[in-house]
Amino acid sequence: RKEVEQDPGPFNVPEGATVAFNCTYSNSASQSFFWYRQDCRKEPKLLMSVYSSGNEDGRFTAQLNRASQYISLLIRDSKLSDSATYLCVAPAYSGGGADGLTFGKGTHLIIQP
Amino acid sequence: EAQVTQNPRYLITVTGKKLTVTCSQNMNHEYMSWYRQDPGLGLRQIYYSMNVEVTDKGDVPEGYKVSRKEKRNFPLILESPSPNQTSLYFCASSLFPGTVKRDQYFGPGTRLLVL
Repeated sequence: RKEVEQDPGPFNVPEGATVAFNCTYSNSASQSFFWYRQDCRKEPKLLMSVYSSGNEDGRFTAQLNRASQYISLLIRDSKLSDSATYLCVAPAYSGGGADGLTFGKGTHLIIQP
Repeated sequence: EAQVTQNPRYLITVTGKKLTVTCSQNMNHEYMSWYRQDPGLGLRQIYYSMNVEVTDKGDVPEGYKVSRKEKRNFPLILESPSPNQTSLYFCASSLFPGTVKRDQYFGPGTRLLVL
């Protein structure tokens, strides 16, 4: 399987700051990507999907750069509740079609008061 | 409420004692999958199922079995558990397995300790 790579962090960021982190993927056939958020000892939950060049949802912006094969997640006006691990996800392909998701190992974000 | 449920949530067992972790979803999803999550290794796919009676290996299938006799259920079976299968296990399901809408819904996780 092709891999998805992320900086594990931790990223320590003061409350109210803007933080961005990237994820690189190696499978150029991937068409859609996802950012999941995972709180400690909990299940991952979908944060954003990225199908074209980018997607914005409130304080969160996800961007896709196909030429360089990376996805970024930008969080503006960060809140204490944004502290979590952020997982970058790309489809996994084999043979004739998509057969699952490949998860990055996650980037740990800590928002400090 | 749309959800994925797993049972048990916590399990301590001994080497060699067969166990089954159940997974059920009420969203009529075709695609279901099992992952294990270990520190430093992230989420790794064990098995997945595209539909009833259709299952395939993921990245780390050794030591595991699955079945998909009904659309809503996808149990994970450890025939002879070993300590290296101590992990946090997640079941997930998705509505569109073959298109761009592949966001998955995860169950709450099962913490397994094999002594």
